[in-house]
Amino acid sequence: ETGVTQSPTHLIKTRGQQVTLRCSSQSGHNTVSWYQQALGQGPQFIFQYYREEENGRGNFPPRFSGLQFPNYSSELNVNALELDDSALYLCASSLMAGGGNEQFFGPGTRLTVL
Amino acid sequence: GESVGLHLPTLSVQEGDNSIINCAYSNSASDYFIWYKQESGKGPQFIIDIRSNMDKRQGQRVTVLLNKTVKHLSLQIAATQPGDSAVYFCADNQAGTALIFGKGTTLSVSS
Repeated sequence: ETGVTQSPTHLIKTRGQQVTLRCSSQSGHNTVSWYQQALGQGPQFIFQYYREEENGRGNFPPRFSGLQFPNYSSELNVNALELDDSALYLCASSLMAGGGNEQFFGPGTRLTVL
Repeated sequence: GESVGLHLPTLSVQEGDNSIINCAYSNSASDYFIWYKQESGKGPQFIIDIRSNMDKRQGQRVTVLLNKTVKHLSLQIAATQPGDSAVYFCADNQAGTALIFGKGTTLSVSS
């Protein structure tokens, strides 16, 4: 176990709805990254938060947004859900931002959009 | 554009065999690579990493080889066990923030 926790484990939403996913980082880690993993694919980088500020973003539309709190936990919000948003959403924490810092992954939240 | 990919989507081996999983990358500036193992229903788990100033790195039963000339890396698992069955991803951390993952190789170990 990595010490990174995510909630909820599973979630079912309908198209057009909004969803919030949560992540608690490993103790002492100040950086959280979010990834989307479609079935049969590798994880795709959504964005990273470092000390409550966005520190990099992948090729995802603005309806994907996030927050990081003073305790370094994080939320991923997705508005106007689409069917293609169905995926496993992974959160990873690291000791610091920047290359070469190992990212520890949580178990993920499985989102199904109907 | 930048991409990290694996040569084969599936690999089947017998228990006790050595397994080799391959990965090709396209960005010559990539300088840090990581291999992850992902079991069903779990997040990716760090196996081993290697920086571009190295050609080889060994861990417990695993070895990663990096060939910068042909932009290729491989993961070797010695004496493969049923518990090694999982999807294996190589990832590139050259971007500094994002991990760029390939599609993965599913390793199946039969006893």
